Order: sequence, then structure tokens, then C-alpha cells
Amino acid sequence: GQQVMQIPQYQHVQEGEDFTTYCNSSTTLSNIQWYKQRPGGHPVFLIQLVKSGEVKKQKRLTFQFGEAKKNSSLHITATQTTDVGTYFCAADGDSNYQLIWGAGTKLIIKP
Amino acid sequence: GAGVSQTPSNKVTEKGKYVELRCDPISGHTALYWYRQSLGQGPEFLIYFQGTGAADDSGLPNDRFFAVRPEGSVSTLKIQRTERGDSAVYLCASSPMGGKPQETQYFGPGTRLLVL
Repeated sequence: GQQVMQIPQYQHVQEGEDFTTYCNSSTTLSNIQWYKQRPGGHPVFLIQLVKSGEVKKQKRLTFQFGEAKKNSSLHITATQTTDVGTYFCAADGDSNYQLIWGAGTKLIIKP
Repeated sequence: GAGVSQTPSNKVTEKGKYVELRCDPISGHTALYWYRQSLGQGPEFLIYFQGTGAADDSGLPNDRFFAVRPEGSVSTLKIQRTERGDSAVYLCASSPMGGKPQETQYFGPGTRLLVL
């Protein structure tokens, strides 16, 4: 079935450094969503990308959707402790109602 | 309520027992989803309700799992003859209408199920 591959699994950064997570699919995606899950919490919607080559920004977060709509990235500039958590991408599945989720990238701030 | 609620927040049970997990979606949301999340993994789709009917139950792992939403609001996920491999966080989410393109899904806090 359809899969969304997300890398890396973990990223350790110093506070103030940048962070990036990538999602890739072998098939063209109609759209992609990004969620953040804090430790011990539940996924919280961040954004949805629909158009080829789309770029959206939320303060220090930049989301991109590839031209071929097969990949997407989330980039955080100058990470802060409040950014800690796991970032998931999710895309429409083969059926009408499923979201297919990446495995997530865990952002860890080095002490 | 303001958000999606789930009860219980934690459930410990013994192998072979029956459990019920409850989800109370955002008022007025037609679509309701159940997911299962294991440690270090993304949510795994289980079942989707559009109103009272299960529009897609293709994610249920086997016939020990069943879910209902009799009045189109609260949903119950039922697991029979629990196995240790069922241990996970069970997440419920709701969205206003459902269908494609996928709407924002609003998640509840989850139920942590531990099968001993």
C-alpha cells in the first residue's frame, strides 16, 4: 500500500540551530499535512499544503511541497525549547478517508 | 466540550480480557477517526466514521477489534480477547465533514492501553 517515508528519525540540535525533516512518497500526493506532537501529547495540526511547489511560513517554520508533489519538508529556523516534539507528515491514502502518516522526526534540544 | 475527549486516559488489563475505549468528538463534527500509535511510530489508521456508519474500517487489524458510533457522536472502540501486542496509545480524532481533500483532524489526548 501507499507509504510516506520520513527522515531523519531523530535530530539533536543545540538551541538556536536549525532543524529540517523530510517526507517522500513514491506516488504523487494530492496534499500533505504536518502535525506536531509534544512529548506525552497528541498530534496537533500545523498546516496543509496542496499546490505544486507551494511554500508556506509560520513564524520560524517553513513548509514546502515539491514540484512533483512527491516530497515535502519542514524547516525550523533558530530552534527554541518550545519546538521540542515529534513532527509528522501525513498524506491522503489510497482510500477516500485514510491519512497515511510518516514515522515522524523527533526534535531533541541538546542540554 | 471544547475539544475531543477520550476515556479512560489509561487502561491496564490482562491478556484475554475485553476493553472498551470511548471517544467524545467535537460537537457537530461528522467525521470521526480511530488511530493506534505505538512508541516511536506515527498514528496507524484503524477506522473512520461518517456520521453513524463506518465508511472505512480497513485499518482494523483483525476481528477482535470493533467500533461503533450509534448516534453519530460518541464512539466506542471495543477490543476482545486482548493480546500484549495490542498495547499502544489509541487516538481518536474528529473533523467537521470528512472525505477528500482531508480536513484538519483534531485529536483527543488518547487512551494508553497496557495489556499484561
